Amino acid sequence: GQQLNQSPQSMFIQEGEDVSMNCTSSSIFNTWLWYKQDPGEGPVLLIALYKAGELTSNGRLTAQFGITRKDSFLNISASIPSDVGIYFCAGPGTGTASKLTFGTGTRLQVTL
Amino acid sequence: EPEVTQTPSHQVTQMGQEVILRCVPISNHLYFYWYRQILGQKVEFLVSFYNNEISEKSEIFDDQFSVERPDGSNFTLKIRSTKLEDSAMYFCASSEAPSTDTQYFGPGTRLTVL
Repeated sequence: GQQLNQSPQSMFIQEGEDVSMNCTSSSIFNTWLWYKQDPGEGPVLLIALYKAGELTSNGRLTAQFGITRKDSFLNISASIPSDVGIYFCAGPGTGTASKLTFGTGTRLQVTL
Repeated sequence: EPEVTQTPSHQVTQMGQEVILRCVPISNHLYFYWYRQILGQKVEFLVSFYNNEISEKSEIFDDQFSVERPDGSNFTLKIRSTKLEDSAMYFCASSEAPSTDTQYFGPGTRLTVL
């Protein structure tokens, strides 16, 4: 089946630093989604990417859809304490009502 | 802003008991999903549901699991005879359209099987 691997697995950064994380797939995706999960909560959509090469921003977040369609990157600029959480990439399958395949997650912790 | 809601937020049950987890999807959405997340692991797909029938299910979704849309607003996941390994967060999600559209997740139900 489809597998999405994220790196790094976890990271500690200082407030104000920029963060980069990536997601690679064993197969091609036509859409990439980035979600954030706070402790005890459900995933919340941050950014959706629909075209290879696309670069999309949402505030301090920027994500890119890789040209090969097998990877995606998420950058967070000037991190703040509320950026703490787990970031998941996800890609939809195909079919009548598509399932989402989630990545392994990147746990971000921000220190003051 | 419309949101997916789930009840209860936490369910504790004895092994072998039946549980029903409830979800109210966003009102104009037609596609419904259940996912689960074992503590510390990634979110895994269980089942998708459209037009009053299952569209797709994973290997995890065996005969112990069933889903139902009993009325126009609720979407339920039933586990007939819970096992210890069913302990997880269960997330309901809904979307307007399949495939490239986005799914909106509820806050989850934490199921603890003792």
